[in-house]
Amino acid sequence: QSVLTQPPSVSGAPGQRVTISCTGSSSDIGAGYDVHWYQQLPGTAPTLLIYGHTNRPSGVPDRFSGSTSGTSASLAITGLQAEDEADYYCQSYDSNLSVVFGGGTKLTVL
Amino acid sequence: QVQLQESGPGLVKPSQTLSLTCSVSGGSISGGDYYWNWIRQNPGKGLEWIGYIYYSGSTYYNPSIKSRVSMSVDTSKNQFSLMLSSATAADTAVYYCARGFTIRGVIALDYWGQGTLVTVSS
Repeated sequence: QSVLTQPPSVSGAPGQRVTISCTGSSSDIGAGYDVHWYQQLPGTAPTLLIYGHTNRPSGVPDRFSGSTSGTSASLAITGLQAEDEADYYCQSYDSNLSVVFGGGTKLTVL
Repeated sequence: QVQLQESGPGLVKPSQTLSLTCSVSGGSISGGDYYWNWIRQNPGKGLEWIGYIYYSGSTYYNPSIKSRVSMSVDTSKNQFSLMLSSATAADTAVYYCARGFTIRGVIALDYWGQGTLVTVSS
C-alpha cells in the first residue's frame, strides 16, 4: 500500500481538463516535502513531468501543471490529447527521508 | 544528453542474489550533485524506490528492503550497481536506474534507463 494515495483511474474527452489528486499526510506532503510528478507512457520508463510542486522540465507542455496545498497535491492537464493517455505518479518523501511514490493513476482519453 | 542503461541477468533463481549494473553515458557519475537511484515496478503495478548511491559511495536504502540491498559505484567505469540478496518471486519486476537531483532536499528523478525485466524463478 502506497504512502501517497492516488485515484486508480481518471478519464476525459479530448480538449477537456482533468485533475489527478495525490493525498498524503503530515509525515510527507504535509511536512513540507516537495512533490514531483511522472508520466509513464505504455511500455516505457517514467519521465519527469513536474518537479518542485509546479516546475516543468524543458520540453513539457504548459498544458501540464502542478499544485500543492496542505497534505495533498494535484496534477492538472488541460486541452487533453490522445497522447496524454498514460499512467501518472506523484512522488515525495516520507518521515524516513525515503522516496515514496503514489500508487499511480491511469488516464484514459475517451 | 545523459543516458542510462541497465544490464544483468533476466532470470534469477529463488534465494540467489539479483545483480544489476547501470551504465551512464553523456555525463560523469561523479560530476555534479546527483544521486544514482534504483527503482522497480512489479508487473502491472506501481513504482517502488529501492535506494540511491552517491558518487562518493554513500548510500540510502528503502527501509522495507534495506536488509537485502547493497549498492556500489565504479566511477572509473561510470557505472553503479544493485545487489538484492535472497531473491523471491516477489522481486520479479522491471528494474530501472535513474539519476536524481534534489530540490529543497527532495530527490527528483530526471533521467531514467529503459528498464530491465528480472524474473525470479527456478
